Amino acid sequence: GAVVSQHPSRVICKSGTSVKIECRSLDFQATTMFWYRQFPKQSLMLMATSNEGSKATYEQGVEKDKFLINHASLTLSTLTVTSAHPEDSSFYICSASGLAGDQETQYFGPGTRLLVL
Amino acid sequence: QKEVEQNSGPLSVPEGAIASLNCTYSDRGSQSFFWYRQYSGKSPELIMFIYSNGDKEDGRFTAQLNKASQYVSLLIRDSQPSDSATYLCASPGTGSYKLIFGSGTRLLVRP
Repeated sequence: GAVVSQHPSRVICKSGTSVKIECRSLDFQATTMFWYRQFPKQSLMLMATSNEGSKATYEQGVEKDKFLINHASLTLSTLTVTSAHPEDSSFYICSASGLAGDQETQYFGPGTRLLVL
Repeated sequence: QKEVEQNSGPLSVPEGAIASLNCTYSDRGSQSFFWYRQYSGKSPELIMFIYSNGDKEDGRFTAQLNKASQYVSLLIRDSQPSDSATYLCASPGTGSYKLIFGSGTRLLVRP
């Protein structure tokens, strides 16, 4: 149990384009999903917290208009990086909680590596 | 500000030894603690969680929690080279489901 997938695993795009990343909980209903970003050799940085059917809560310094999050169902959340620039190149990782009613334990997806040229 | 602190390492141990990874936290109200393993270039993987004072064992892993001293540790017995990774300690703190992560301790197990 507690399998979380992400798609795509790797994406290369041109500067100025938008990229959508999907996060799915495959075998449980995720009441909350979290989006993180990690630069090389740095710690995980929480970007936003997403609850099904409601607006995401963004961390300080994260632009909500640039990083659009949609959590339309209990098994799917999407992160869209709009008008991507080279500085957005990073490792984006989602996590999900809610397995068997446990809101605290987060299970991570495999991550999406974004390279903006 | 709620904090979770870890020594960045690297902690180097020979194969077969016990690796001891430590973590301290500032929020005395924290109730639950998580250990994740992150291999280079990969996402974190949950190893264990602990809620109660004392020890919790799972295979070669033992988590230890001491709420009075505000530290939590992870022991890895019979360390293997495949255990070489960064180990992240995390806690949601009080009144939140957001995990506060330590910066991680890099473990290197020498063959």
